[in-house]
Amino acid sequence: DADVTQTPRNRITKTGKRIMLECSQTKGHDRMYWYRQDPGLGLQLIYYSFDVKDINKGEISDGYSVSRQAQAKFSLSLESAIPNQTALYFCATSAGPLEGYTFGSGTRLTVV
Amino acid sequence: EDKVVQSPLSLVVHEGDTVTLNCSYEVTNFRSLLWYKQEKKAPTFLFMLTSSGIEKKSGRLSSILDKKELFSILNITATQTGDSAVYLCAVDQNTGNQFYFGTGTSLTVIP
Repeated sequence: DADVTQTPRNRITKTGKRIMLECSQTKGHDRMYWYRQDPGLGLQLIYYSFDVKDINKGEISDGYSVSRQAQAKFSLSLESAIPNQTALYFCATSAGPLEGYTFGSGTRLTVV
Repeated sequence: EDKVVQSPLSLVVHEGDTVTLNCSYEVTNFRSLLWYKQEKKAPTFLFMLTSSGIEKKSGRLSSILDKKELFSILNITATQTGDSAVYLCAVDQNTGNQFYFGTGTSLTVIP
């Protein structure tokens, strides 16, 4: 089983719909992140959390919200999806500073 | 402004060639620089370079960090088709809580 699991793997949704992307991990890491990846723009940080009670906005948090339900679970919601949120979304975990990320397999989201 | 700039954007080589990928960065209070390999989906970790570890090697891959000139290179010798991927560079800061990623270099190795 993967250390970091994202669901769904692929999703097509309509403009205006609410959608949730889920991430769970078995690494036991406290730090969890949501990134989006667009062609030519690299990975951009949406939100991050260092424990269940700690939620922080990243570079591009507008239009997104998150929930850290447990140490192992970190979900990302698009309240009202719009086409420019079409992207590849990655969840990542880390044990702490000076530790690299472990990435999930990604969720490819298309908003039509 | 861009904190991490990678070059070239893409590269096509033949099997057996040696390639050098570049990553320049501009962050204050630099802490570490990471290299990742991204094939179809999830990036996978290659190297972490810090002030106390400025050169890393693993098989045909090696990387160095020049903290004075603010750049790193990733070398791949005797390339194979399995090296075809996007290579990502990321840096973080002592005062920050995230890694800043470059846009990546797309490497294609032709048989």
